[in-house]
Amino acid sequence: GENVEQHPSTLSVQEGDSAVIKCTYSDSASNYFPWYKQELGKRPQLIIDIRSNVGEKKDQRIAVTLNKTAKHFSLHITETQPEDSAVYFCAAIGYSGAGSYQLTFGKGTKLSVIP
Amino acid sequence: EAGVTQSPTHLIKTRGQQVTLRCSPISGHTSVYWYQQALGLGLQFLLWYDEGEERNRGNFPPRFSGRQFPNYSSELNVNALELEDSALYLCASSLVAGNIQYFGAGTRLSVL
Repeated sequence: GENVEQHPSTLSVQEGDSAVIKCTYSDSASNYFPWYKQELGKRPQLIIDIRSNVGEKKDQRIAVTLNKTAKHFSLHITETQPEDSAVYFCAAIGYSGAGSYQLTFGKGTKLSVIP
Repeated sequence: EAGVTQSPTHLIKTRGQQVTLRCSPISGHTSVYWYQQALGLGLQFLLWYDEGEERNRGNFPPRFSGRQFPNYSSELNVNALELEDSALYLCASSLVAGNIQYFGAGTRLSVL
């Protein structure tokens, strides 16, 4: 099955600096890669996603890049703010046949933005 | 439009008991997913239901089961509770299988 590895597990940055979280996946059939942000005590919320036919996607201070050949994708947050502090999860969704989709999450990255 | 709703929000049980958690998806969503999130850990996929049928299952023992009703709401049942079942149980729904998943606020289960 799919295996998603996420690095780093913890990340501390100064306010205003950039943060980068990287994920690799194993199944070349995976074709959809969402990123979720989970603030303490709250539900995971989708912040950005990318499909396998696109190499990069941006939404204000957040961007995601995908390298299908290398099977890795990354989340980039620029001009970080204290409210960006949260746990971020990457995920890979791929069709595994017989109408079944396999969704696998990375283990998460705890981002702390220091004021 | 209401989001994914889960009930109850908190639950305390003792070892060996059984528990049922409930989830109502976003209106129009047919797929429902269940995840377990132990404290400080990641999201572990439990079950996926679509159009009333179980489509996929994570690496969990058979005492974790569930079902999806004709109105697409879903139940997660856990039998013979063990201490390590203590976790946040999250439900998510998507418009169609394989599409964006939206999460509920979760049910916090404590097994004593």
